[in-house]
Amino acid sequence: SQTIHQWPATLVQPVGSPLSLECTVEGTSNPNLYWYRQAAGRGLQLLFYSVGIGQISSEVPQNLSASRPQDRQFILSSKKLLLSDSGFYLCAWSPGQGPGYTFGSGTRLTVV
Amino acid sequence: GQQLNQSPQSMFIQEGEDVSMNCTSSSIFNTWLWYKQDPGEGPVLLIALYKAGELTSNGRLTAQFGITRKDSFLNISASIPSDVGIYFCARETSGSRLTFGEGTQLTVNP
Repeated sequence: SQTIHQWPATLVQPVGSPLSLECTVEGTSNPNLYWYRQAAGRGLQLLFYSVGIGQISSEVPQNLSASRPQDRQFILSSKKLLLSDSGFYLCAWSPGQGPGYTFGSGTRLTVV
Repeated sequence: GQQLNQSPQSMFIQEGEDVSMNCTSSSIFNTWLWYKQDPGEGPVLLIALYKAGELTSNGRLTAQFGITRKDSFLNISASIPSDVGIYFCARETSGSRLTFGEGTQLTVNP
Protein backbone atom coordinates (compact mmCIF):
# COMPACT_ATOMS: atom_id res chain seq x y z
CA SER A 1 0.00 0.00 0.00
CA GLN A 2 1.02 3.58 -0.56
CA THR A 3 2.08 5.83 2.27
CA ILE A 4 3.21 9.44 2.46
CA HIS A 5 5.62 10.73 5.06
CA GLN A 6 6.14 14.36 5.94
CA TRP A 7 8.48 15.83 8.51
CA PRO A 8 9.00 17.50 10.82
CA ALA A 9 5.55 17.75 12.40
CA THR A 10 6.28 21.10 13.98
CA LEU A 11 8.99 23.68 13.44
CA VAL A 12 9.79 27.04 15.00
CA GLN A 13 12.27 29.09 13.02
CA PRO A 14 13.57 32.66 13.36
CA VAL A 15 12.99 35.21 10.64
CA GLY A 16 15.76 35.09 8.06
CA SER A 17 16.67 31.46 8.68
CA PRO A 18 16.55 28.80 5.95
CA LEU A 19 13.86 26.15 5.65
CA SER A 20 13.75 22.61 4.39
CA LEU A 21 10.64 20.43 4.62
CA GLU A 22 10.73 16.95 3.21
CA CYS A 23 8.04 14.67 1.87
CA THR A 24 8.42 11.11 0.63
CA VAL A 25 5.99 8.64 -0.85
CA GLU A 26 6.24 4.87 -0.67
CA GLY A 27 4.53 2.12 -2.59
CA THR A 28 4.06 3.89 -5.91
CA SER A 29 6.12 5.20 -8.78
CA ASN A 30 5.99 8.44 -10.77
CA PRO A 31 3.41 10.10 -8.54
CA ASN A 32 2.23 13.67 -8.96
CA LEU A 33 3.44 15.57 -5.91
CA TYR A 34 2.08 18.75 -4.37
CA TRP A 35 2.85 21.30 -1.65
CA TYR A 36 -0.07 23.18 -0.11
CA ARG A 37 -0.15 25.83 2.59
CA GLN A 38 -3.02 26.40 4.97
CA ALA A 39 -3.30 29.59 7.00
CA ALA A 40 -5.37 29.85 10.18
CA GLY A 41 -7.09 26.48 9.65
CA ARG A 42 -8.92 27.64 6.55
CA GLY A 43 -8.52 27.03 2.82
CA LEU A 44 -5.60 25.25 1.22
CA GLN A 45 -3.45 27.13 -1.26
CA LEU A 46 -1.50 25.17 -3.83
CA LEU A 47 2.13 26.29 -3.80
CA PHE A 48 3.95 23.83 -6.08
CA TYR A 49 3.26 20.68 -8.00
CA SER A 50 5.45 18.22 -9.83
CA VAL A 51 4.66 15.58 -12.43
CA GLY A 52 8.18 14.14 -12.55
CA ILE A 53 11.78 14.38 -11.36
CA GLY A 54 13.10 17.90 -11.77
CA GLN A 55 9.73 19.18 -13.04
CA ILE A 56 8.34 21.85 -10.75
CA SER A 57 5.46 24.23 -11.39
CA SER A 58 4.79 27.16 -9.12
CA GLU A 59 1.26 28.39 -8.60
CA VAL A 60 1.99 31.64 -6.80
CA PRO A 61 5.04 33.89 -6.51
CA GLN A 62 6.53 33.65 -3.04
CA ASN A 63 9.54 33.30 -0.84
CA LEU A 64 9.59 29.52 -1.22
CA SER A 65 10.95 27.03 -3.72
CA ALA A 66 10.47 23.32 -4.32
CA SER A 67 12.64 20.54 -5.67
CA ARG A 68 12.14 16.91 -6.64
CA PRO A 69 15.56 15.24 -6.57
CA GLN A 70 14.10 11.73 -6.66
CA ASP A 71 10.89 10.22 -8.01
CA ARG A 72 9.21 9.96 -4.63
CA GLN A 73 10.83 12.86 -2.80
CA PHE A 74 9.54 16.41 -2.72
CA ILE A 75 11.29 19.19 -0.80
CA LEU A 76 10.04 22.64 0.12
CA SER A 77 12.73 25.22 0.83
CA SER A 78 13.39 28.81 1.62
CA LYS A 79 16.67 30.71 1.87
CA LYS A 80 15.31 33.32 4.29
CA LEU A 81 12.04 32.87 6.10
CA LEU A 82 9.56 35.70 6.56
CA LEU A 83 6.95 36.04 9.29
CA SER A 84 4.29 35.58 6.62
CA ASP A 85 5.66 32.11 5.84
CA SER A 86 4.10 30.78 9.04
CA GLY A 87 1.37 28.23 8.44
CA PHE A 88 0.46 24.60 8.07
CA TYR A 89 2.26 22.98 5.14
CA LEU A 90 0.82 19.89 3.56
CA CYS A 91 2.38 17.56 1.06
CA ALA A 92 0.14 15.40 -1.14
CA TRP A 93 0.44 12.86 -3.91
CA SER A 94 -1.83 11.52 -6.61
CA PRO A 95 -1.46 8.83 -9.27
CA GLY A 96 -2.35 11.39 -11.91
CA GLN A 97 -5.74 9.91 -12.77
CA GLY A 98 -8.88 10.06 -10.67
CA PRO A 99 -9.34 11.66 -7.27
CA GLY A 100 -6.69 9.62 -5.53
CA TYR A 101 -5.29 12.60 -3.66
CA THR A 102 -3.58 11.63 -0.40
CA PHE A 103 -2.24 14.18 2.04
CA GLY A 104 0.57 13.89 4.54
CA SER A 105 0.03 14.78 8.16
CA GLY A 106 1.43 18.28 7.72
CA THR A 107 4.13 20.51 9.20
CA ARG A 108 3.18 23.36 11.48
CA LEU A 109 5.71 26.13 10.80
CA THR A 110 5.96 29.14 13.07
CA VAL A 111 8.35 31.90 12.09
CA VAL A 112 9.31 34.10 15.03
CA GLY B 1 -14.63 32.00 -12.27
CA GLN B 2 -12.52 29.26 -10.70
CA GLN B 3 -13.18 30.20 -7.10
CA LEU B 4 -15.24 27.87 -4.95
CA ASN B 5 -17.67 29.51 -2.55
CA GLN B 6 -18.35 27.33 0.43
CA SER B 7 -20.97 27.98 3.10
CA PRO B 8 -21.52 28.25 5.92
CA GLN B 9 -18.07 29.18 7.20
CA SER B 10 -18.80 27.57 10.55
CA MET B 11 -21.50 25.56 12.26
CA PHE B 12 -22.17 24.81 15.92
CA ILE B 13 -24.62 21.97 16.42
CA GLN B 14 -25.78 19.51 19.05
CA GLU B 15 -24.93 15.85 18.82
CA GLY B 16 -27.62 14.01 16.90
CA GLU B 17 -28.53 16.91 14.64
CA ASP B 18 -28.28 16.77 10.87
CA VAL B 19 -25.85 19.05 9.04
CA SER B 20 -25.92 20.52 5.55
CA MET B 21 -23.26 22.52 3.76
CA ASN B 22 -22.77 23.54 0.15
CA CYS B 23 -20.30 24.71 -2.39
CA THR B 24 -20.93 26.85 -5.46
CA SER B 25 -19.01 28.23 -8.39
CA SER B 26 -19.67 30.31 -11.48
CA SER B 27 -17.87 27.68 -13.58
CA ILE B 28 -19.05 24.24 -14.66
CA PHE B 29 -17.13 21.32 -13.20
CA ASN B 30 -16.83 17.67 -14.15
CA THR B 31 -15.89 16.48 -10.66
CA TRP B 32 -16.79 17.52 -7.15
CA LEU B 33 -14.80 16.25 -4.20
CA TRP B 34 -15.52 16.53 -0.49
CA TYR B 35 -12.73 16.28 2.09
CA LYS B 36 -12.63 16.32 5.87
CA GLN B 37 -9.71 17.64 7.89
CA ASP B 38 -9.36 16.60 11.51
CA PRO B 39 -7.54 19.08 13.75
CA GLY B 40 -3.79 19.02 13.09
CA GLU B 41 -4.06 16.49 10.26
CA GLY B 42 -4.17 16.48 6.49
CA PRO B 43 -7.53 16.35 4.66
CA VAL B 44 -9.03 12.97 3.84
CA LEU B 45 -11.29 12.29 0.87
CA LEU B 46 -14.89 11.57 1.89
CA ILE B 47 -16.85 11.47 -1.34
CA ALA B 48 -16.13 11.98 -5.04
CA LEU B 49 -18.86 12.95 -7.51
CA TYR B 50 -18.52 12.60 -11.28
CA LYS B 51 -21.91 13.19 -12.89
CA ALA B 52 -24.48 15.96 -12.72
CA GLY B 53 -27.32 14.92 -10.45
CA GLU B 54 -25.28 12.14 -8.85
CA LEU B 55 -26.16 11.36 -5.26
CA THR B 56 -23.58 9.37 -3.32
CA SER B 57 -23.51 8.17 0.28
CA ASN B 58 -20.69 7.16 2.59
CA GLY B 59 -22.16 6.02 5.88
CA ARG B 60 -23.94 8.98 7.45
CA LEU B 61 -22.61 11.30 4.76
CA THR B 62 -24.48 12.08 1.55
CA ALA B 63 -23.26 14.35 -1.22
CA GLN B 64 -24.91 15.49 -4.42
CA PHE B 65 -23.54 16.89 -7.65
CA GLY B 66 -25.84 19.72 -8.71
CA ILE B 67 -27.76 19.48 -11.96
CA THR B 68 -26.23 22.71 -13.22
CA ARG B 69 -22.74 21.29 -12.48
CA LYS B 70 -21.99 24.50 -10.61
CA ASP B 71 -22.77 23.37 -7.08
CA SER B 72 -22.62 20.49 -4.65
CA PHE B 73 -24.09 19.67 -1.25
CA LEU B 74 -22.82 17.59 1.64
CA ASN B 75 -25.18 16.35 4.33
CA ILE B 76 -24.27 14.63 7.58
CA SER B 77 -27.02 12.83 9.43
CA ALA B 78 -27.19 12.20 13.17
CA SER B 79 -23.94 14.02 13.93
CA ILE B 80 -21.52 12.65 16.52
CA PRO B 81 -18.58 14.33 18.30
CA SER B 82 -16.00 12.80 15.95
CA ASP B 83 -17.61 14.67 13.03
CA VAL B 84 -15.79 17.76 14.32
CA GLY B 85 -13.37 19.19 11.77
CA ILE B 86 -13.18 21.28 8.64
CA TYR B 87 -15.04 20.12 5.57
CA PHE B 88 -13.74 21.21 2.18
CA CYS B 89 -15.17 20.98 -1.27
CA ALA B 90 -12.66 20.73 -4.08
CA ARG B 91 -12.44 20.42 -7.82
CA GLU B 92 -9.79 19.07 -10.12
CA THR B 93 -8.01 21.17 -12.69
CA SER B 94 -5.43 20.19 -15.27
CA GLY B 95 -2.49 18.18 -14.02
CA SER B 96 -4.63 16.65 -11.27
CA ARG B 97 -4.32 19.81 -9.23
CA LEU B 98 -7.04 20.51 -6.70
CA THR B 99 -8.64 23.85 -5.90
CA PHE B 100 -10.30 23.96 -2.49
CA GLY B 101 -13.11 25.97 -1.01
CA GLU B 102 -12.45 27.92 2.18
CA GLY B 103 -13.98 25.18 4.29
CA THR B 104 -16.80 24.76 6.78
CA GLN B 105 -15.70 24.45 10.39
CA LEU B 106 -18.03 22.04 12.18
CA THR B 107 -18.33 21.91 15.97
CA VAL B 108 -20.49 19.23 17.58
CA ASN B 109 -21.52 19.71 21.18
CA PRO B 110 -22.15 16.49 23.11
